[in-house]
Amino acid sequence: NAGVTQTPKFQVLKTGQSMTLQCAQDMNHEYMSWYRQDPGMGLRLIHYSVGAGITDQGEVPNGYNVSRSTTEDFPLRLLSAAPSQTSVYFCASSYGGQETQYFGPGTRLLVL
Amino acid sequence: KNEVEQSPQNLTAQEGEFITINCSYSVGISALHWLQQHPGGGIVSLFMLSSGKKKHGRLIATINIQEKHSSLHITASHPRDSAVYICAVRVNFNKFYFGSGTKLNVKP
Repeated sequence: NAGVTQTPKFQVLKTGQSMTLQCAQDMNHEYMSWYRQDPGMGLRLIHYSVGAGITDQGEVPNGYNVSRSTTEDFPLRLLSAAPSQTSVYFCASSYGGQETQYFGPGTRLLVL
Repeated sequence: KNEVEQSPQNLTAQEGEFITINCSYSVGISALHWLQQHPGGGIVSLFMLSSGKKKHGRLIATINIQEKHSSLHITASHPRDSAVYICAVRVNFNKFYFGSGTKLNVKP
């Protein structure tokens, strides 16, 4: 099993550009989530999904969209990047919302 | 306001020392997680607790629900234990609060 994979590992964007951060898991997990990690603030939940076709907002959803067309994939879209979105983004998955989460390696995003 | 507080923020230990990292939280929870973030950035889930105590190798995690407190202990610490340890609590299905982490450096 590859576990949770994320691409790209690093990305530089200009303000206003859009992009999609990819996340995939091969463990047949129903629950997937996106977090951002900023210095001194800990991880914060952006969006989550409890299964294909079902998504919901977390703590800091503004500026981000998600979709879940398959169990395996959970992409995160930045519609119009802003410098405040400079962060490290982690995708995670688990069998259920109450179970141990498996994290991807992270995507480091810099918005200029 | 921080729902999850960890102490200490930074910890330096000599190899072989017994280490304790503390986590206090202010909200009702359904579970508490301890995570390890390696220097390269990857995050690994160490424990998920809703009561009592769990042990995995040299790591022990305890939780006191009444006191809203958890501890992570590392016995016979080793330089490879150097990492950031993060406490996280799940409040409900979509609400997760994370501590800002404890940076541990174990010197040989």
